[in-house]
Amino acid sequence: ETGVTQSPTHLIKTRGQQVTLRCSSQSGHNTVSWYQQALGQGPQFIFQYYREEENGRGNFPPRFSGLQFPNYSSELNVNALELDDSALYLCASSPGLAGGYEQFFGPGTRLTVL
Amino acid sequence: AQSVTQPDIHITVSEGASLELRCNYSYGATPYLFWYVQSPGQGLQLLLKYFSGDTLVQGIKGFEAEFKRSQSSFNLRKPSVHWSDAAEYFCAVGTFTGGGNKLTFGTGTQLKVEL
Repeated sequence: ETGVTQSPTHLIKTRGQQVTLRCSSQSGHNTVSWYQQALGQGPQFIFQYYREEENGRGNFPPRFSGLQFPNYSSELNVNALELDDSALYLCASSPGLAGGYEQFFGPGTRLTVL
Repeated sequence: AQSVTQPDIHITVSEGASLELRCNYSYGATPYLFWYVQSPGQGLQLLLKYFSGDTLVQGIKGFEAEFKRSQSSFNLRKPSVHWSDAAEYFCAVGTFTGGGNKLTFGTGTQLKVEL
């Protein structure tokens, strides 16, 4: 069974650019969540997708957007990058929305904005 | 709104010594509580979780945690630490509402193990 994978591993962008991060969920999982982890902080919830629909959003501006595809893989897009967007971006998948489901995390994408 | 506090930013213990990492949460309803571990360059791995029932939960790698409602705490313990336990540990509260099935994390505790 393949776990959650993310690409790319590392990425360097300049301020004002746009970036797309990708996530493949674990087999059988229809729910994907994205988290931002700044240096020295815990992960913060960006948003969640369930069966291709956004199911909830944290306190992030609209320039953070996402997609979920029919195979339940997902993309995180960030427009007009700012220096503070530099962080580790984590994707997590789960088999559903019920409270008892564990979220399985990928290794993350390290984004550096210069 | 829910929140998680991990009061210890760094903890150093000797190999073989016991460990307790503190976690306090704030949430209006019955919480779903989790402990995750993150090694350098790795994602988060679930150590254990509490949803209901027995307040002492066992996890992987010999870890356990005790839920104390009266203290709003969910402290992580291990009786004998191994050098491979050096990592960052995150406590999280899970909320499953119209705002999504999300985890709210503490700021983490960095564990160093002295040989």
